[in-house]
Amino acid sequence: DAKTTQPPSMDCAEGRAANLPCNHSTISGNEYVYWYRQIHSQGPQYIIHGLKNNETNEMASLIITEDRKSSTLILPHATLRDTAVYYCIVFNAGGTSYGKLTFGQGTILTVHP
Amino acid sequence: NAGVTQTPKFRVLKTGQSMTLLCAQDMNHEYMYWYRQDPGMGLRLIHYSVGEGTTAKGEVPDGYNVSRLKKQNFLLGLESAAPSQTSVYFCASNGGPTNTQYFGPGTRLTVL
Repeated sequence: DAKTTQPPSMDCAEGRAANLPCNHSTISGNEYVYWYRQIHSQGPQYIIHGLKNNETNEMASLIITEDRKSSTLILPHATLRDTAVYYCIVFNAGGTSYGKLTFGQGTILTVHP
Repeated sequence: NAGVTQTPKFRVLKTGQSMTLLCAQDMNHEYMYWYRQDPGMGLRLIHYSVGEGTTAKGEVPDGYNVSRLKKQNFLLGLESAAPSQTSVYFCASNGGPTNTQYFGPGTRLTVL
């Protein structure tokens, strides 16, 4: 699976959009980009994933660049409860991956009042 | 629908003791996983299972054994606990390789 690079920490004001970048320059054509978050040592929580197209759900939006070498997770109106560690994971869904995820150290997002 | 549950939530062991961590899911998922998370680190995969009766090694399998006798349960065993196994253990499951992975609340294990 491709390696990802994320900033170690970011801050955001409550009510503003939080834009979390992820670099995955070695991503291959059949690898997905997944985002999970972990709130205060709880189990990680799935947020969103995509392959090529931008995606949106009730939690967030995922913007993937045309060359797929980077992506941005957008929380449109951050709240204090969005303070968490955010993990960007590149994942090969085919072959013998068997759903195995490789977690890096993620980005600590702190939302301020 | 409880999702993924883990038993126990906390445990303290002495070096050399053994224990079993239980993970249960009620979503009829085929795939189950055990991860460990050390302070300030991301999760690392210990073992996983792609169906009842099957198990496979992950990234850090040494010192652990697993069993998947029933589809809904995935057991993680420590035969002779070591201080290096002090960690938070997370179980997860999903219905297929591209499906969302659901995580349990974790088990905090301390080995003295």
